[in-house]
Amino acid sequence: ETGVTQSPTHLIKTRGQQVTLRCSSQSGHNTVSWYQQALGQGPQFIFQYYREEENGRGNFPPRFSGLQFPNYSSELNVNALELDDSALYLCASIKKRSGGPLTDTQYFGPGTRLTVL
Amino acid sequence: GQQLNQSPQSMFIQEGEDVSMNCTSSSIFNTWLWYKQEPGEGPVLLIALYKAGELTSNGRLTAQFGITRKDSFLNISASIPSDVGIYFCAGLSYNTDKLIFGTGTRLQVFP
Repeated sequence: ETGVTQSPTHLIKTRGQQVTLRCSSQSGHNTVSWYQQALGQGPQFIFQYYREEENGRGNFPPRFSGLQFPNYSSELNVNALELDDSALYLCASIKKRSGGPLTDTQYFGPGTRLTVL
Repeated sequence: GQQLNQSPQSMFIQEGEDVSMNCTSSSIFNTWLWYKQEPGEGPVLLIALYKAGELTSNGRLTAQFGITRKDSFLNISASIPSDVGIYFCAGLSYNTDKLIFGTGTRLQVFP
């Protein structure tokens, strides 16, 4: 058990719809990263939030957006869903030292399986 | 997106055998991590490596951080059925929090 929870566990949407996925970080962890894992692939970094601000982004379009709340929980929002957005979405929480690079390990949640029809 | 090259892609072995897998990159990393993922779960950290040449063990698992900082190796000794899963390497560059994952090695262990 990593102490990181995600909801929902599964979700089915249709093309063009919007989706919100949620993540609760491990207690005391102030940083959350989101990853997309397509079937048969390794996870791909979407973006990271540190102290409620985006702190690094991978190669994903602006229709992928996020939020981090004062309690360090987080949301991933995807607008205008496409078929290729079907994937397992993982969040990972870290306790990051102020202003410094990542030195602590990232603990992953179980993921949300999104299917776009 | 960028992914590290992991080999082999899959392995089918008998219980008790040793397993070796590796991961290579065209870029230098300052940290190498090895994760295991089982169906319906997120990746779970197995071993973290922080220095070139470092050799670290975690029970029956041993991993090494390559001298060139562009590769890493994971060995599992005396495999057991619960070792079944997908093993991912991941690299982390200095001053970034972005993990770059490998393509994964699927391990099947037969009794």
